[in-house]
Amino acid sequence: AQKITQTQPGMFVQEKEAVTLDCTYDTSDQSYGLFWYKQPSSGEMIFLIYQGSYDEQNATEGRYSLNFQKARKSANLVISASQLGDSAMYFCAMRDISGNQFYFGTGTSLTVIP
Amino acid sequence: DVKVTQSSRYLVKRTGEKVFLECVQDMDHENMFWYRQDPGLGLRLIYFSYDVKMKEKGDIPEGYSVSREKKERFSLILESASTNQTSMYLCASNPDRVETQYFGPGTRLLVL
Repeated sequence: AQKITQTQPGMFVQEKEAVTLDCTYDTSDQSYGLFWYKQPSSGEMIFLIYQGSYDEQNATEGRYSLNFQKARKSANLVISASQLGDSAMYFCAMRDISGNQFYFGTGTSLTVIP
Repeated sequence: DVKVTQSSRYLVKRTGEKVFLECVQDMDHENMFWYRQDPGLGLRLIYFSYDVKMKEKGDIPEGYSVSREKKERFSLILESASTNQTSMYLCASNPDRVETQYFGPGTRLLVL
């Protein structure tokens, strides 16, 4: 069964606007971790932000924030004040209770329009 | 800074060849992973290793094997390459139970 679902294959956003990338997850574990990665066209995966399942506050890292809604099993990424350099693929991922297995979504391609 | 390196950025091989993809990390991480990435499918786990000489199958191990003789090096082996193994291969590592994985730059493999 798919553990991570990203329903937006592609998204467009105007420069300087905010954008939300959706991610829902499926697990029966109580302890897990949620991640977002950025993959530019060069191919490397860049870690953006992490949310632990027991963290009560939403994670933030600069212009990135993670909107964590545990009851709805969603972990949406919000990028504020989009920049042209934000154009990339974005992957949501979950680490399971063992800490050793990671599950990735299919990704969302974000294009920032000048 | 953590560094994960992969032996090749681009590789072209013929059907039936034996292919070795090498991954090295310099931060003494316990866990290492091999994924393949295909458009519309995201990253799929092929194998992972949580210690030297230890390996676990991921979601798509068929057609692949791995080797971890030293802690810093994790090799992915395509015993007999096929065209459906044309893909982007990503190696990753992380210390045990730490928040994130660290990725290498990826190898784009084309099997003709």
